[in-house]
Amino acid sequence: QSVLTQPPSVSGAPGLRVTISCTGSSSNIGAGYDVYWYQLLPGTAPKLLIYGNDYRPSGVPDRFSGSKSGTSGSLDITGLQPEDEADYYCQSYDSSLSATVFGGGTKLTVL
Amino acid sequence: QLQLQESGPGLVKPSETLSLTCTVSGDSISSSPYYWAWIRLPPGKGLDWIGSISSSGGTYYSPSLKTRVTISVDTSTNHFSLSLSSVTAADTAVYYCARSKYSGSYLDFWGQGTLVTVSS
Repeated sequence: QSVLTQPPSVSGAPGLRVTISCTGSSSNIGAGYDVYWYQLLPGTAPKLLIYGNDYRPSGVPDRFSGSKSGTSGSLDITGLQPEDEADYYCQSYDSSLSATVFGGGTKLTVL
Repeated sequence: QLQLQESGPGLVKPSETLSLTCTVSGDSISSSPYYWAWIRLPPGKGLDWIGSISSSGGTYYSPSLKTRVTISVDTSTNHFSLSLSSVTAADTAVYYCARSKYSGSYLDFWGQGTLVTVSS
């Protein structure tokens, strides 16, 4: 049972948009801690997509954007491409646990 | 360009100790202000933060693993290590090492991961 809750799967057709949610609580996202997002592809190193809720590292396409409101964060992917098919994870910090926490992961299927 | 590479046995027997090393190239652990972390991905499950260490040796561990985990750093060889004792099948996972700006912050560089299977 992950501290942060993500939908197990989302899907979308090429060119369209999907949103992946990340729901936390008052001891993590709701306490003001940042939300981060990662992309995991089989056999490759996980890739940081979003830091500080809505900042993109250099090299990440602007099709990826993040936001945060209350106890939740979201990752938007616009203009879906086949290579976006991957697992996506959110991360934050939990003050009650004094630990880094992750969501359970969301599998994106590009139809 | 910073690179991290995990190494260690791919098979560990139940009740024994899992030991992995992460070799860092492109940055000096001893002079770096960053933290160095271990994360795992069990089959069919989500990412699980194990812990992190600063270049000065300060450590932070997952509450669920802290009785079994030790993370150490060797600045002379520019690597850091993970030791997980009394392993069971539930510890089977892909283990990743990564860098973070501070403990609890984002992980900006990751290794490719190494699969460790716990089985007799």
